[in-house]
Amino acid sequence: QQQVKQSPQSLIVQKGGISIINCAYENTAFDYFPWYQQFPGKGPALLIAIRPDVSEKKEGRFTISFNKSAKQFSLHIMDSQPGDSATYFCAASRIGGAQKLVFGQGTRLTINP
Amino acid sequence: GAVVSQHPSWVICKSGTSVKIECRSLDFQATTMFWYRQFPKQSLMLMATSNEGSKATYEQGVEKDKFLINHASLTLSTLTVTSAHPEDSSFYICSARDRTGNQPQHFGDGTRLSIL
Repeated sequence: QQQVKQSPQSLIVQKGGISIINCAYENTAFDYFPWYQQFPGKGPALLIAIRPDVSEKKEGRFTISFNKSAKQFSLHIMDSQPGDSATYFCAASRIGGAQKLVFGQGTRLTINP
Repeated sequence: GAVVSQHPSWVICKSGTSVKIECRSLDFQATTMFWYRQFPKQSLMLMATSNEGSKATYEQGVEKDKFLINHASLTLSTLTVTSAHPEDSSFYICSARDRTGNQPQHFGDGTRLSIL
């Protein structure tokens, strides 16, 4: 019930292409879905987050698509750049209470120049 | 933006010693801090939730006597790995949430712990 499943495990995209990472959750009580970017040797940095009252959120080249009925959400990176090469984690939590984040398994994204 | 500072960033020590890692919220008051552990090429695993002025809440399977957490102020939480052994070697990351609870968690840059 607490799991967040993320795919793919690794992804290679050409520069300028679209990178798509998918996540699925089980717990319908989750109401906050962030995406984090992590570079080697660093902590995760918040990229973008969405709440279930909207189906899409866009910030610059990053877009979250959210499907509440399917309990799925995805990250789209448009015009992918070599600097986007990193590990991406989706997560889920409840807004209230302890707000413990449940992380997906991570996706290692490589953007080839 | 909100900044969480973690210190040290890297520590190497001998087996049997205790190591303390600090997590500070630099520009906001954090009533709740979280401690994670991350093995190479794996996801973050929550170890414990630290609340200011009260005992930490540990996740299932995490030894509270092994990983001592203290959250004595609204800007500082510490994790002490007691009698560390090579299997404790890992990347430890903290995060903090502001006291309003309205902002997302902010993560520190992690501490690479190597036990020889």
